[in-house]
Amino acid sequence: DTGVSQDPRHKITKRGQNVTFRCDPISEHNRLYWYRQTLGQGPEFLTYFQNEAQLEKSRLLSDRFSAERPKGSFSTLEIQRTEQGDSAMYLCASSLYPTGPNSPLHFGNGTRLTVT
Amino acid sequence: EDKVVQSPLSLVVHEGDTVTLNCSYEVTNFRSLLWYKQEKKAPTFLFMLTSSGIEKKSGRLSSILDKKELFSILNITATQTGDSAVYLCAVEAGGTYKYIFGTGTRLKVLA
Repeated sequence: DTGVSQDPRHKITKRGQNVTFRCDPISEHNRLYWYRQTLGQGPEFLTYFQNEAQLEKSRLLSDRFSAERPKGSFSTLEIQRTEQGDSAMYLCASSLYPTGPNSPLHFGNGTRLTVT
Repeated sequence: EDKVVQSPLSLVVHEGDTVTLNCSYEVTNFRSLLWYKQEKKAPTFLFMLTSSGIEKKSGRLSSILDKKELFSILNITATQTGDSAVYLCAVEAGGTYKYIFGTGTRLKVLA
């Protein structure tokens, strides 16, 4: 079990550019979640997948955000035409569904995005 | 709308003190409540609670859930400087199966 890994760790981009982040979940986990966290706030739900199916996307999420999990393994989160308000830590997490006492949400170390 | 509220927002104590962190929630079809500790990076898992009145314990940390009153508490006894972190509470809503987080309690333990 190598844990949830995210790449890159940091990304600095100019406003208007597109960025893509990758998440590799724990291998046997069938659920994958994306969260966004800003300073002083808890993680905010963005979207989640069960296997390759995207089951829910936050209503607060702009159309500039899109996520995929094409083969039910790794996932990508793309932000198009970035804005300064997109600057945040993007956290990926995975879990095994159905949830059991030994299957909580496991987080990666996140990708910190700075939009200048 | 589903929500999770944590209190206090921040807390400063001295080593050896005991602290109690609170988490109240309103969600559709509650499934579980999770506590996490977040230092500089990824939140790390502490406890998962699904049943009322059953205390979960790990060393100096313990937690309990009250599903009637819709809250949970996290206790830390004999605090140490290494306990300084943000403590997050998350609730899994069965209707949507997503985890909703509170804003966290920032705990600082002074030597």
